[in-house]
Amino acid sequence: KAGVTQTPRYLIKTRGQQVTLSCSPISGHRSVSWYQQTPGQGLQFLFEYFSETQRNKGNFPGRFSGRQFSNSRSEMNVSTLELGDSALYLCASRRQGAEYNEQFFGPGTRLTVL
Amino acid sequence: GENVEQHPSTLSVQEGDSAVIKCTYSDSASNYFPWYKQELGKRPQLIIDIRSNVGEKKDQRIAVTLNKTAKHFSLHITETQPEDSAVYFCAAIANSKLTFGKGITLSVRP
Repeated sequence: KAGVTQTPRYLIKTRGQQVTLSCSPISGHRSVSWYQQTPGQGLQFLFEYFSETQRNKGNFPGRFSGRQFSNSRSEMNVSTLELGDSALYLCASRRQGAEYNEQFFGPGTRLTVL
Repeated sequence: GENVEQHPSTLSVQEGDSAVIKCTYSDSASNYFPWYKQELGKRPQLIIDIRSNVGEKKDQRIAVTLNKTAKHFSLHITETQPEDSAVYFCAAIANSKLTFGKGITLSVRP
């Protein structure tokens, strides 16, 4: 069974631009969570989607948004990029009813904002 | 919301020694505490977890202890090996939301 995949793996943008990142969960997994990882703040929860609905949200500004499609693939969007948005963005998936000990991470997208 | 603190931020031990990483949490509603290991350039992977109704759990060389009264939990690694070198994250779940500590870099000196 293929693991969680994320595209692109690396991305360079400039301030003010917007970016869309994609996450394909493990087949059969319907929950997708997004995290931001930075050296100073560690791993921070962005949001979780389940069956195309946002189920939970972290403490990030409205510039960060996401969505989930009927095939469970998820995208996250960051508008009006700031230098501080440079980070590794990780998504993780788990199947319906599974707990967090059955959550699997993708390889991440490294976003650099110049 | 939940706040998870992790101490120390870096830890260096000699191969074969034990390593202990401590975390505290703030929300008494937290009921699940996973630990993740992230090797350089790789994704985080769950290594052990503990639920609030259990005080200790062990899996080979790693163990986790939980003190609900004091709101802290610890990861114990015995007989450390160079391949244990990585960043370790503790986390807590409250209200279905996973909150991570900032991570600790463990270095095992050969």
